[in-house]
Amino acid sequence: DTGVSQNPRHKITKRGQNVTFRCDPISEHNRLYWYRQTLGQGPEFLTYFQNEAQLEKSRLLSDRFSAERPKGSFSTLEIQRTEQGDSAMYLCASSSRVKNTEAFFGQGTRLTVV
Amino acid sequence: KNEVEQSPQNLTAQEGEFITINCSYSVGISALHWLQQHPGGGIVSLFMLSSGKKKHGRLIATINIQEKHSSLHITASHPRDSAVYICAASPSGSRLTFGEGTQLTVNP
Repeated sequence: DTGVSQNPRHKITKRGQNVTFRCDPISEHNRLYWYRQTLGQGPEFLTYFQNEAQLEKSRLLSDRFSAERPKGSFSTLEIQRTEQGDSAMYLCASSSRVKNTEAFFGQGTRLTVV
Repeated sequence: KNEVEQSPQNLTAQEGEFITINCSYSVGISALHWLQQHPGGGIVSLFMLSSGKKKHGRLIATINIQEKHSSLHITASHPRDSAVYICAASPSGSRLTFGEGTQLTVNP
């Protein structure tokens, strides 16, 4: 296992388009998190899954954002009708509740909305 | 007031210096994390601690639960230590609440 994998690494899209990001967590990790980080700021929590259940969503996650984790493995984060303010680094992390491990982060997907 | 605050925001040091980054938090936690972020975005977990002190190589992390304060120390700093260091609190053992990060630059 090579760690948490995120795809794509970079995405440039026109305003109004939909985008989807994928996160493949460490295989035995049952917890998966999405965070968003804008330039010069620390990451902000977006949403959290335990297995396939989405247990918590930030109020930052507007109706244009949706996340899924079918079968409790990989997760997708979709942004509909992108806005320039959505430009940010989207980070995925996973951890194991059973083993109480620290969170392991992917390299992130950098979204630029033009 | 942020739930997790770090100081300083920016830190410049000469190679070999001893470095301290501080973190204060206002929430109850099950664990406190120190993370390192290099340009390009990747985040690496350095420490997860809930009490006392941990050491890994030249890095030392301490936490005082009563004072809700943690410190990250780097001994014999090196230019390759240049990165953003982020403190994050885990209030319920699940999601992390992050500080804004400390940009460390170590000059040769």
